[in-house]
Amino acid sequence: DTEVTQTPKHLVMGMTNKKSLKCEQHMGHRAMYWYKQKAKKPPELMFVYSYEKLSINESVPSRFSPECPNSSLLNLHLHALQPEDSALYLCASSQDIGGGATISNEQFFGPGTRLTVL
Amino acid sequence: QKEVEQNSGPLSVPEGAIASLNCTYSDRGSQSFFWYRQYSGKSPELIMSIYSNGDKEDGRFTAQLNKASQYVSLLIRDSQPSDSATYLCAVSLGSGGSNYKLTFGKGTLLTVNP
Repeated sequence: DTEVTQTPKHLVMGMTNKKSLKCEQHMGHRAMYWYKQKAKKPPELMFVYSYEKLSINESVPSRFSPECPNSSLLNLHLHALQPEDSALYLCASSQDIGGGATISNEQFFGPGTRLTVL
Repeated sequence: QKEVEQNSGPLSVPEGAIASLNCTYSDRGSQSFFWYRQYSGKSPELIMSIYSNGDKEDGRFTAQLNKASQYVSLLIRDSQPSDSATYLCAVSLGSGGSNYKLTFGKGTLLTVNP
C-alpha cells in the first residue's frame, strides 16, 4: 500500500492565523518530506525528517515550523503567513533517505493541502 | 548547479500513438531517476523509477536511461486521453549526505487527443 494521507485538503487562513497541516503514512517509511508547489512549477523541498529527526531545512522562513511526533506522522505548523505562501503543500515519504541494494529511495506523495492565505 | 531539463511542451499526440518524453540532467554523479505524472490540481504520482542503463518496462510505460549521454526518457505506448497530464522528471545522486534530494525538471505537458 503506497498511501500517504494529508489533512485538510483545502485551507484558507488569514495572515494572523495559526494552523497546522497533517500528514500520515503507514508504509513503515523512515523518511518524510514537506514540499511546496506553486502553479506550473515543480515541487520545492522544504524539510526532510529521517528517523523522526530533522535532517534538512531548505532555508525555509520560521513562519513554517515542522514537527515529527512519530515515524508515521508529520505536521507543518503555520503562523503569520503571507499571501505569497499560498500554494499546494505536499507531504512525501520514502523507505529511507538513502538508497541501496535493498532500500528504496522512491518518494511517494500525498494528495496535498491547497493553502490560500488572505 | 544541478539541472534537469525537460521540454515544457505542450506535447500533443493522437490516441493510440506513442508519446515520447525526454529529460537531460547535468550532474554525471546522478544515480536515481524517476518519472512522476501530475494531473492538473493533483499531486505527483510516481510511475517509473530507473537506476541502470537500458530500458525498464511497466505496462504501457517504458523508461530508458543512458548515463553516458545524461539522458532519460519515458515512452507511453497506446496513449490514452487519460494520460493527459504533466510529466515530471526527477533525479537524485542516490545515497549519502543530502544526495537523496530530488531535482525536478519543470515538467512536460502531454495532451492525448481522442
